[in-house]
Amino acid sequence: EVQLVQSGTEVKKPGESLKISCQGFGYSFTNYWIAWVRQTPGKGLEWMAIIYPDDSDIKYSPSFQGQVTISADKSITTAYLEWSSLKVSDTAIYYCARATPGVLLLDFWGHGTLVTVSS
Amino acid sequence: DIQMTQSPSTLSASVGDRVTITCRASQSVNTWLAWYQQKPGKAPKLLIFKASTLQSGVPSRFSGSGSGTEFTLTISSLQPDDFATYYCQQYNTYEYSFGQGTKLEIK
Repeated sequence: EVQLVQSGTEVKKPGESLKISCQGFGYSFTNYWIAWVRQTPGKGLEWMAIIYPDDSDIKYSPSFQGQVTISADKSITTAYLEWSSLKVSDTAIYYCARATPGVLLLDFWGHGTLVTVSS
Repeated sequence: DIQMTQSPSTLSASVGDRVTITCRASQSVNTWLAWYQQKPGKAPKLLIFKASTLQSGVPSRFSGSGSGTEFTLTISSLQPDDFATYYCQQYNTYEYSFGQGTKLEIK
């Protein structure tokens, strides 16, 4: 059974750093891309970045380039999304999703990580 | 970037009704269009991909059609489990974009 298990809820202050994770089970982790998608009430679903864990090929949405860092450790089948300095506007639910090779369809999603940034 | 626009934003319907949701792309995405269902507190779930292909395990009352810039999701006979929010998403390029969502409510 395919599973994407995400790290738990985070409550942070503006300016703090954060790294959230997404661990894949039940499939060949290095054969699929992993994307991160943000969900907020105001802007809905927004694609942020995508990584191919086998060779760490990375692509960022222009809206999030420079704001976050995506990475992966294929030895532990885990992808990450990292912030060096959080803003209140980073408050959101963050989903990781598996993307099929070739057509990059987001066919399976993690359960989401709620990040709250507040002073 | 490609903008996706769904209509309506909210749809009130009853069990047994046939409903249709529309999604328009700002430029052609061929048939690289997916539909997702999301329930409160849950992740989006893939229903349809390549505009009209049903994901494994999805009931046959769901169907999709369209190509280019105009797409529809139809539920032929609403069931209580179908009341949720539906999103379209283009994957013509890796620069994915999503519709704003259609909330399907019980009338």
